[in-house]
Amino acid sequence: DIVLTQSPALAVSLGQRATISCKTNQNVDYYGNSYMHWYQQKPGQQPKLLIYLASNLASGIPARFSGRGSGTDFTLTIDPVEADDTATYYCQQSRNLPTFGGGTKLELK
Amino acid sequence: EVQLQESGPGLVKPSQSLSLTCSVTGYSITSNYWGWIRKFPGNKMEWMGYISYSGSTSYNPSLKSRISITRDTSKNQFFLQLNSVTTEDTATYYCARYHYSSSLDFDYWGQGVMVTVSS
Repeated sequence: DIVLTQSPALAVSLGQRATISCKTNQNVDYYGNSYMHWYQQKPGQQPKLLIYLASNLASGIPARFSGRGSGTDFTLTIDPVEADDTATYYCQQSRNLPTFGGGTKLELK
Repeated sequence: EVQLQESGPGLVKPSQSLSLTCSVTGYSITSNYWGWIRKFPGNKMEWMGYISYSGSTSYNPSLKSRISITRDTSKNQFFLQLNSVTTEDTATYYCARYHYSSSLDFDYWGQGVMVTVSS
């Protein structure tokens, strides 16, 4: 299985930029696409799709969210961070058997 | 609007079977792919399997022969059965719709149902 590694937590100030990383132990690129996706989950709620195929903004997601990366290194950026962005963020790959990262909890300083 | 809702018992005894239903509104399950994902205490998430628009299935090998995903198209529902459960199957179970069959991400999720395996 492909293993996805995320830092457990990140603290940023309101209005600043948050950069959340996800590293994989295998390449998740295939025929020009990077099979990496990002979700936001708040306590008691279901995950919400933010970014698919590494850099595509999902429907209804504000442009403050962006994703980039390829191969084995990916980042989700939130700029500027708002109070409502406090949540846990997960990466997920679909190059092979789908697997998820352990999540990064975003907190405000 | 596409909506998914899981239902089923919140408590299952060890060695018994876990059975959950995902009811879908706003979209036909005879289109697209539909999956089950679970989240363990401590936040680890695991993809369990899917059922396709045609009824074909694919499962996580880690679940071996314990898992079955079926559907009732007349009710627009699909189901999860997990046999011989242990305490390690305690988790929140989500059903979800695949966004695109080409990208294999999940764009709509149910609220989740917490299942505890305990005697």
